[in-house]
Amino acid sequence: SAVISQKPSRDICQRGTSLTIQCQVDSQVTMMFWYRQQPGQSLTLIATANQGSEATYESGFVIDKFPISRPNLTFSTLTVSNMSPEDSSIYLCSVAREQDQPQHFGDGTRLSIL
Amino acid sequence: SQQGEEDPQALSIQEGENATMNCSYKTSINNLQWYRQNSGRGLVHLILIRSNEREKHSGRLRVTLDTSKKSSSLLITASRAADTASYFCATPTGANSKLTFGKGITLSVRP
Repeated sequence: SAVISQKPSRDICQRGTSLTIQCQVDSQVTMMFWYRQQPGQSLTLIATANQGSEATYESGFVIDKFPISRPNLTFSTLTVSNMSPEDSSIYLCSVAREQDQPQHFGDGTRLSIL
Repeated sequence: SQQGEEDPQALSIQEGENATMNCSYKTSINNLQWYRQNSGRGLVHLILIRSNEREKHSGRLRVTLDTSKKSSSLLITASRAADTASYFCATPTGANSKLTFGKGITLSVRP
């Protein structure tokens, strides 16, 4: 299975600022995903990160708030923009090599906004 | 909306006992996956069962799938304190197999 490194592991940020989260995979993967997990809740998919093209966002998530980059098949970033306390969550990236295969997750970024 | 719904929402058992967790889903699936999450960390994939399979084993884990009832169960036998975690079922939807997760079950195994 792929080894996924996610940075930072946690951060405390001020309201109105932005934070970029990095996801690095040790091998090339076709599919990369970004999820949000609010406190005590399940995971919600934010977007699918597409290599060389714009990310595909799920309902309720927009590019201006959560811009995503995927410059190659091993790396992606998620930016949480203009943060508010409601953005306090764990953000996780995951990868899958093929359709209908298990996803492998990074350890997540625990974000708190004051 | 949630595709998978697990029950119970929380389960507390004694070490050595078996733990059974159930998941129901709404639409047709190609496969169903179970994941474990320890204390707010990343998810670990446990087992994937395909729609043409009825039962699958992996170590102390046994997963069943009943497509007629749109339900799955995860059995952990001879539980250990280290099994304490949240467990999620997830189903792929859409062309790129994005996962839709259930609400999760919190399992506590008392030493």
